[in-house]
Amino acid sequence: DAGITQSPRYKITETGRQVTLMCHQTWSHSYMFWYRQDLGHGLRLIYYSAAADITDKGEVPDGYVVSRSKTENFPLTLESATRSQTSVYFCASKQGWGQGETQYFGPGTRLLVL
Amino acid sequence: RKEVEQDPGPFNVPEGATVAFNCTYSNSASQSFFWYRQDCRKEPKLLMSVYSSGNEDGRFTAQLNRASQYISLLIRDSKLSDSATYLCVVTPWNTGGGNKLTFGTGTQLKVEL
Repeated sequence: DAGITQSPRYKITETGRQVTLMCHQTWSHSYMFWYRQDLGHGLRLIYYSAAADITDKGEVPDGYVVSRSKTENFPLTLESATRSQTSVYFCASKQGWGQGETQYFGPGTRLLVL
Repeated sequence: RKEVEQDPGPFNVPEGATVAFNCTYSNSASQSFFWYRQDCRKEPKLLMSVYSSGNEDGRFTAQLNRASQYISLLIRDSKLSDSATYLCVVTPWNTGGGNKLTFGTGTQLKVEL
């Protein structure tokens, strides 16, 4: 089915380990985004990408790395996981612009860093 | 001050009731406005855009007041299935790319029998 998928859906890791969260979309949307959602903060933008090989920082990029070699994939890597990175991570892609924009979110990855 | 502020609730209402949520935003340059809905432990989904003239989609009505910098969402004839968290979302006109969305923390609605 077309859409946006994330893997893994759940992940437990230890402090200091590298973790990569995968995101794949089948619509060929140019823009893709990574958010984290924490109690009391709402969704916060980590990184976004306007197209393959074009990425930029969002509100909370520290400790994260992204790449986008193909339009459909936008992986997020935690280089050395910390407990503060325990969160729910959502990937999204965008259709439209301005008031006509819709962002489509993946189902999320729940990450626990011990 | 947060860029987007919402009353977290929960708003507990009986089925069939009318309920309204407000959201305030701090950036007067904000140009696009949305309501997203998020069910428990699920991803957010676009409920509706909020246009300057106000707009309606079935039982849902969204209003924008630029002078006071707030957005409202009115739900009429509440259904049990309306139980969710409603996220207020705004974005500046020119964010340098990506039309980056700023999310409120959400207002929780519980519709009861």
